[in-house]
Amino acid sequence: DTGVSQDPRHKITKRGQNVTFRCDPISEHNRLYWYRQTLGQGPEFLTYFQNEAQLEKSRLLSDRFSAERPKGSFSTLEIQRTEQGDSAMYLCASSFTVQGEKLFFGSGTQLSVL
Amino acid sequence: AQSVTQPDIHITVSEGASLELRCNYSYGATPYLFWYVQSPGQGLQLLLKYFSGDTLVQGIKGFEAEFKRSQSSFNLRKPSVHWSDAAEYFCAVGAGGTSYGKLTFGQGTILTVHP
Repeated sequence: DTGVSQDPRHKITKRGQNVTFRCDPISEHNRLYWYRQTLGQGPEFLTYFQNEAQLEKSRLLSDRFSAERPKGSFSTLEIQRTEQGDSAMYLCASSFTVQGEKLFFGSGTQLSVL
Repeated sequence: AQSVTQPDIHITVSEGASLELRCNYSYGATPYLFWYVQSPGQGLQLLLKYFSGDTLVQGIKGFEAEFKRSQSSFNLRKPSVHWSDAAEYFCAVGAGGTSYGKLTFGQGTILTVHP
């Protein structure tokens, strides 16, 4: 497998701007997760998809955040009207239901909001 | 709500020494427990997991962990550390069932290895 890829690796934006991140999971994986990691902390769950259906969202995911997985393949995470508190590493992970307990993580997108 | 505590933020060991990283969890039912490792610029990698059965689980890279229900602990061990083990280690607990990928992570332990 080619692994989980995330784009971009780094994003610097000004407060109030919208940003969008992309995640390409391992091709045969039907589950896709988004996590957020701030400096000195472990990853925090944001949301997950099974195929194209978004099955659960964390309370951390305010209405400024939206995630999609339109065809059950890649996923996008959009943040509208960014705030400085949104600065973090956004991690994507995927898994295959039969082996669902093993998550494969991408290297993440580091967001800096100025 | 489930939670994970990793009491040690930073641990330093000499190469060849033994290692134990501590993890305590809080969860009402039988937990699904994991250890992940994160190296700079790389994604988290699963070292090992515990779902049920034998409380001593073996993982990759020579790591093992022991589940102790009475102590709510899942400590990670390695008998002889290599310089390449320097990284950040995360313990995590999952609810299992249909939400098996929804994990609660500890804050991590940074491991430094001295030659």
